[in-house]
Amino acid sequence: QSVLTQPPSVSGAPGQRVTISCTGSSSNIGANSDINWYQHLPETAPKLLIYRNNNRPSGVPDRFSGSKSGTSASLAITGLQAEDEADYYCQSYDSSLNWVFGGGTKLTVL
Amino acid sequence: EVRLLESGGGLVQPGGSLRLSCVASGFTFSGYGMNWVRQAPGKGLEWVSTITRIGSSTYYADSVKGRFTLSRDNSKNTLYLQMTSLKVEDTAIYYCAKAQGGYLSTWSFDYWGQGTLATVSS
Repeated sequence: QSVLTQPPSVSGAPGQRVTISCTGSSSNIGANSDINWYQHLPETAPKLLIYRNNNRPSGVPDRFSGSKSGTSASLAITGLQAEDEADYYCQSYDSSLNWVFGGGTKLTVL
Repeated sequence: EVRLLESGGGLVQPGGSLRLSCVASGFTFSGYGMNWVRQAPGKGLEWVSTITRIGSSTYYADSVKGRFTLSRDNSKNTLYLQMTSLKVEDTAIYYCAKAQGGYLSTWSFDYWGQGTLATVSS
């Protein structure tokens, strides 16, 4: 079981909006640790998508956005495209366990 | 352009050892913390270990503590992960990742290598 809980899968049609949740606890997200999100396609290097809760690295489309509240965080993807089909991971810092990842969410574009 | 190139993976028997390397280029290596993250077959990403920019502090996941040792040679822009007493459950793709951020609680991993596969099997 991961310290950060994500749904195993989400899906949406092209053009739609989807959200991926990430639920933590008082020792990580609730302790004011930042949330980061990564996109991972098979056989490739993971890619930083959102850092420090809601910031996009250069080159990441503004269709991707992040938010955080209390002990939870969310990644939203608008205008869904076929190329967005991938695994998505949240990541944070835990006061007991150091750096932790969520279990990952597989996004399927219908 | 930031590049991270891992090497050293391979097949090893349970109880054996491997040393992974990660050669960095395109940034001032000594200015950043560095990390290893792994992905076991069919599983998600798992943080393994982190070292601060000058190597003064290292951190390990409980699953590898006491068996893995992380080090760096800033003169060679190279990160090392010495893995000993390997277990079948250590089988994974091991990714080298550069850290960005100030306080540890703000760190994210902004650049990743392509990974190297370590297989522990008899």
